[in-house]
Amino acid sequence: GEDVEQSLFLSVREGDSSVINCTYTDSSSTYLYWYKQEPGAGLQLLTYIFSNMDMKQDQRLTVLLNKKDKHLSLRIADTQTGDSAIYFCAESQEPLSGGSYIPTFGRGTSLIVHP
Amino acid sequence: DAGVTQSPTHLIKTRGQHVTLRCSPISGHKSVSWYQQVLGQGPQFIFQYYEKEERGRGNFPDRFSARQFPNYSSELNVNALLLGDSALYLCASSLVGQETQYFGPGTRLLVL
Repeated sequence: GEDVEQSLFLSVREGDSSVINCTYTDSSSTYLYWYKQEPGAGLQLLTYIFSNMDMKQDQRLTVLLNKKDKHLSLRIADTQTGDSAIYFCAESQEPLSGGSYIPTFGRGTSLIVHP
Repeated sequence: DAGVTQSPTHLIKTRGQHVTLRCSPISGHKSVSWYQQVLGQGPQFIFQYYEKEERGRGNFPDRFSARQFPNYSSELNVNALLLGDSALYLCASSLVGQETQYFGPGTRLLVL
């Protein structure tokens, strides 16, 4: 199976909260990330969390991590039409030989926000 | 400050041809990574370079190669292009040992 799994689609009404879920398989994951990709664009890092934390809040974004169940979620409060995009969950482990952390991505969740 | 830049933005090639994609990292970032994103999928790791040396390689054939220059910019080369190489190629840069990578806008390659 995939190392990082996400549901493919989520549709919400403008002003509601969105919750995007992700599961991962590697118990040695050190960092977990959420990236956003708008149509035709590259990836924008939204937020990330260290594996020994269980929650991180950044303005409208709340990340929850359940390390026991290997489950990560991203909550977007007061979702706006501008939040419509693909959201990628990713995990990384400590680099083996110098260099930097290399994220392994899920397939992405398409968030559709309708009026 | 300028972010990661990539060139060209779009490219059309035919099967069997060769392609070179270019990436300039964020100023001060010495580590550069390349990813392939096929339509409908998440990015897949191809290479990471730091100090002009390959520091990591994903599960890609030898037709894929890369290098890093003294100014930390990087090139990704793909030989003998196949239809399946059509994808968005993303470059990311980071400080060495940093837990986060910052992505460029990508180069969209279409192989006919």
